[in-house]
Amino acid sequence: ETGVTQTPRHLVMGMTNKKSLKCEQHLGHNAMYWYKQSAKKPLELMFVYNFKEQTENNSVPSRFSPECPNSSHLFLHLHTLQPEDSALYLCASSLLGRLRGDYGYTFGSGTRLTVV
Amino acid sequence: AQKITQTQPGMFVQEKEAVTLDCTYDTSDPSYGLFWYKQPSSGEMIFLIYQGSYDQQNATEGRYSLNFQKARKSANLVISASQLGDSAMYFCAMTPSGEYGNKLVFGAGTILRVKS
Repeated sequence: ETGVTQTPRHLVMGMTNKKSLKCEQHLGHNAMYWYKQSAKKPLELMFVYNFKEQTENNSVPSRFSPECPNSSHLFLHLHTLQPEDSALYLCASSLLGRLRGDYGYTFGSGTRLTVV
Repeated sequence: AQKITQTQPGMFVQEKEAVTLDCTYDTSDPSYGLFWYKQPSSGEMIFLIYQGSYDQQNATEGRYSLNFQKARKSANLVISASQLGDSAMYFCAMTPSGEYGNKLVFGAGTILRVKS
């Protein structure tokens, strides 16, 4: 375990389904992130939350809806996805102002999403 | 905007030998941070090493060292005494503003295979 827990590890959903990905950290970090990793593409930053406030949305389609109720939890709500949204979704957390060493980015193990 | 380039899609190395994974970057920020991550088939992103742009010495962490050449904008990862468990995808990443940034920009990655 890395300290960042993502559930579920695997998810298969139909294009009309609604599902949510969950990310949880108890590292005392105050920033959380969602990344998308598609096959043969670099990791893409989707959303950034600093102190529960969304500070970045990298032109992500509205069918992805993030939620950060507190500094320890981050959700990604999914609805009416497309097959091209199939990817590994990684959550990460960090301590703002301290990216060196132990306070650096810590990633979860990811949720492998398949849209059918 | 920041950009990371990893020109080696795949590399092979003999067990117990050293290997260098290339990374070049482009940024106009005077302060930035450079990371290397390892991603095994399980999907988890494992932090390996960090180099700050103002660090005078090259970073080292056990068998990992970062060959930082600021003028050439390169940050190559050197793995000494390769082990079979080193077989994985390796990503170079950077964040602006050094330790105070919180957005990681990733390269496309290099798949490393260690042969016995």
